[in-house]
Amino acid sequence: GQQVMQIPQYQHVQEGEDFTTYCNSSTTLSNIQWYKQRPGGHPVFLIQLVKSGEVKKQKRLTFQFGEAKKNSSLHITATQTTDVGTYFCAGPRAAGNKLTFGGGTRVLVKP
Amino acid sequence: KAGVTQTPRYLIKTRGQQVTLSCSPISGHRSVSWYQQTPGQGLQFLFEYFSETQRNKGNFPGRFSGRQFSNSRSEMNVSTLELGDSALYLCASSLGQGLSGANVLTFGAGSRLTVL
Repeated sequence: GQQVMQIPQYQHVQEGEDFTTYCNSSTTLSNIQWYKQRPGGHPVFLIQLVKSGEVKKQKRLTFQFGEAKKNSSLHITATQTTDVGTYFCAGPRAAGNKLTFGGGTRVLVKP
Repeated sequence: KAGVTQTPRYLIKTRGQQVTLSCSPISGHRSVSWYQQTPGQGLQFLFEYFSETQRNKGNFPGRFSGRQFSNSRSEMNVSTLELGDSALYLCASSLGQGLSGANVLTFGAGSRLTVL
């Protein structure tokens, strides 16, 4: 079945530094979505990428969808304490298919 | 507009009992998906309902079942509870079809089940 892997599993970041988390699918995805879950909270949708090679930015967050539509990355610049949480990627193989989530990258920020 | 509402938020059961969890989706959303979240296993897909029909199903035993009503509200049931069923059960709704973004999920706050 479809598998979605995220690396790293944990990311300790010094406040102000940049970091990148990666998402890899075993199958081609029709789109990729990113969600953020704060400690004690529930996942909240951040962004969706649909096109091959697509890049989208949200303030300090940059999302990229790979050319083969099997991988994606999230880059955060100048990390802040508000970035603490777990970031999940998720994607369906085709429209109407279930969303398979990666295991998440848990981000901890050192002030 | 109101978000996704899950009830109850917390519950404690003993092994062998059964439990029913409820989810009210965002108005206009016709798809409801259920996920199990545990510290070690992340977000595991249980099933998705669209227009009262199960459209997708995850790899969970038959003890886990669900249904969707004509108003898109959904319930999931777990019978013969086991200790390993202790988890946060998340419901998420989406449009389900149509325009790009139709499968973007809005999650509820979850129902935290503890099995003793």
